Amino acid sequence: EIVMTQSPATLSVSPGERATLSCRASQSVSSNLAWYQQKPGQAPRLLIYGASTRATGIPARFSGSGSGTEFTLTISSLQSEDFAVYYCQQYNNWAPRKTFGQGTKVEIK
Amino acid sequence: QITLKESGPTLVKPTQTLTLTCTFSGFSLSTSGVGVGWIRQPPGKALEWLALIYWDDDKRYSPSLKSRLTITKDTSKNQVVLTMTNMDPVDTATYYCAHNAPSAVAGPNYFDYWGQGTLVTVSS
Repeated sequence: EIVMTQSPATLSVSPGERATLSCRASQSVSSNLAWYQQKPGQAPRLLIYGASTRATGIPARFSGSGSGTEFTLTISSLQSEDFAVYYCQQYNNWAPRKTFGQGTKVEIK
Repeated sequence: QITLKESGPTLVKPTQTLTLTCTFSGFSLSTSGVGVGWIRQPPGKALEWLALIYWDDDKRYSPSLKSRLTITKDTSKNQVVLTMTNMDPVDTATYYCAHNAPSAVAGPNYFDYWGQGTLVTVSS
């Protein structure tokens, strides 16, 4: 089964700085990877799919890269509204025990 | 405009069966490639995919919960129903339903629209 591992668990960043989040798959998921943003008390919001395609309405400061087993979400210049938890999800294979990673919390430094 | 909304009990007792309904609009579950899934999130923890049903009634379940889950659809009512048997306090979570983005190729996909979620507490 594929296991998704995100790092770091918590990322402390100052507003305006760059944030780089990592997601690793235990085996190749090709480019079948999505990123979600979740704020407290809200449902997740799709940011990126296909590893690098921004969803509708997502600002250009969010970018995704990678393929195979290593993926990165980059937020080029953090805005106040970007402090949240970010999850990756692989959708390359069925019957995964853990489709989603465990999340990375981006907090204000 | 696609919207989804979960409904069901907020409190269930251990060993009881949970029934949740997802009522959606803006798409049809009779359209080729369309799917609706359920995902849950225990308080302070990560997302966990539970089940998904496709337009053609193909159903997929999390292997760890498969014996306890049933997902069905009512296309005429634009609803998807998830039942989970033998509830336990560890099943306390916010349960989300979500629209699975249509894909030309059969298989899993990402979730592009989510409901607001419903918190279910399991306690005697």
